Amino acid sequence: QQPVQSPQAVILREGEDAVINCSSSKALYSVHWYRQKHGEAPVFLMILLKGGEQKGHEKISASFNEKKQQSSLYLTASQLSYSGTYFCGTEDRGSTLGRLYFGRGTQLTVWP
Amino acid sequence: GAVVSQHPSRVICKSGTSVKIECRSLDFQATTMFWYRQFPKQSLMLMATSNEGSKATYEQGVEKDKFLINHASLTLSTLTVTSAHPEDSSFYICSAPSRDRGRDTQYFGPGTRLTVL
Repeated sequence: QQPVQSPQAVILREGEDAVINCSSSKALYSVHWYRQKHGEAPVFLMILLKGGEQKGHEKISASFNEKKQQSSLYLTASQLSYSGTYFCGTEDRGSTLGRLYFGRGTQLTVWP
Repeated sequence: GAVVSQHPSRVICKSGTSVKIECRSLDFQATTMFWYRQFPKQSLMLMATSNEGSKATYEQGVEKDKFLINHASLTLSTLTVTSAHPEDSSFYICSAPSRDRGRDTQYFGPGTRLTVL
């Protein structure tokens, strides 16, 4: 039930791009993306509900391939503030609304 | 935007004692809330679904007699760790789904760090 995230860690220079992938073995209703800073609770980034949906928030965007049960998070022109651990949370089709299973996370470090 | 609060933010207790953690949705009603546990450098693991007015639903492997959940109102869910032991030390986080301006969103509380000595 836990989705698989890759890569496990990414190190970037400010201004570089990164892609984080999330895949599930189950049919999905939605995919959520969160960023967590050390010692803090996760912060909601976005939710994707429909296959083929793409969303963006500043320079962070995501896509959802419903058929392949995959989602990708795109970070472009990364900023220092993007550093943290990114988690995808998947909501299985037919499950309780809001019940999420999280991937192991991708640790993103952005250097100046 | 919607806010979820947790209390306390940090608690240290002796082995064998019980600890209660509160999760409140401050400006919206939540018939369902979720409790997660996160060990250092690990992912969030779903423990249980808290249902207002009915019994909680626990994930496989989570002891319902050890982690008591009560969802007494539409804005409050509590998690009680009974007879806590050092291995229960963790970061406990609650969340509540909300429809904010027509968009489904999941709001997380700030978390409660439990240390059992």
